[in-house]
Amino acid sequence: IAGITQAPTSQILAAGRRMTLRCTQDMRHNAMYWYRQDLGLGLRLIHYSNTAGTTGKGEVPDGYSVSRANTDDFPLTLASAVPSQTSVYFCASSPGTGDTGELFFGEGSRLTVL
Amino acid sequence: QKEVEQNSGPLSVPEGAIASLNCTYSDRVSQSFFWYRQYSGKSPELIMSIYSNGDKEDGRFTAQLNKASQYVSLLIRDSQPSDSATYLCAVFNDYKLSFGAGTTVTVRA
Repeated sequence: IAGITQAPTSQILAAGRRMTLRCTQDMRHNAMYWYRQDLGLGLRLIHYSNTAGTTGKGEVPDGYSVSRANTDDFPLTLASAVPSQTSVYFCASSPGTGDTGELFFGEGSRLTVL
Repeated sequence: QKEVEQNSGPLSVPEGAIASLNCTYSDRVSQSFFWYRQYSGKSPELIMSIYSNGDKEDGRFTAQLNKASQYVSLLIRDSQPSDSATYLCAVFNDYKLSFGAGTTVTVRA
């Protein structure tokens, strides 16, 4: 089934540990995004990539890094996790090169940092 | 001021009624607008897009856009229990999609 796969689905992590959330899509979409969703704050953009080899910062990029080595994969790394990074993380993709707001979302990764 | 603001919920409507959701945005140059639906514990899914002033209808959903007032709305006609979800207003600008906090709708059977 075509779509976006995120892993892990859920993770509990000790503060200070490094964590990579994986995101893979098979729709050959050029643009990919990472959002975090917190109660009362909605979805906030962390990082984005309009095409393979390029990335950009969103609204809340501090403490996170991304890479886009190829079209399909867009991993999000927390170098040293802190409790404020407890959230649900959504990866998304869109056709074109970041010129549309029509996004397809993965199922999310729930991260708890203790 | 947040870039995208939605009317606070939750919104409870009886089955068969019209649910009305409102959204305002701050960046006057924004050109495209979206409504996403998110069921509890699930990921957002796109239900409507609107690019021009006026109304756009798709089944029981109608999106309305007024760029002069920087206002977007979503009407759900003949509300069904399956419409119970959180509705997210989103505005696309400068290669980024910004979301409102969402309005939770509950349709009472």
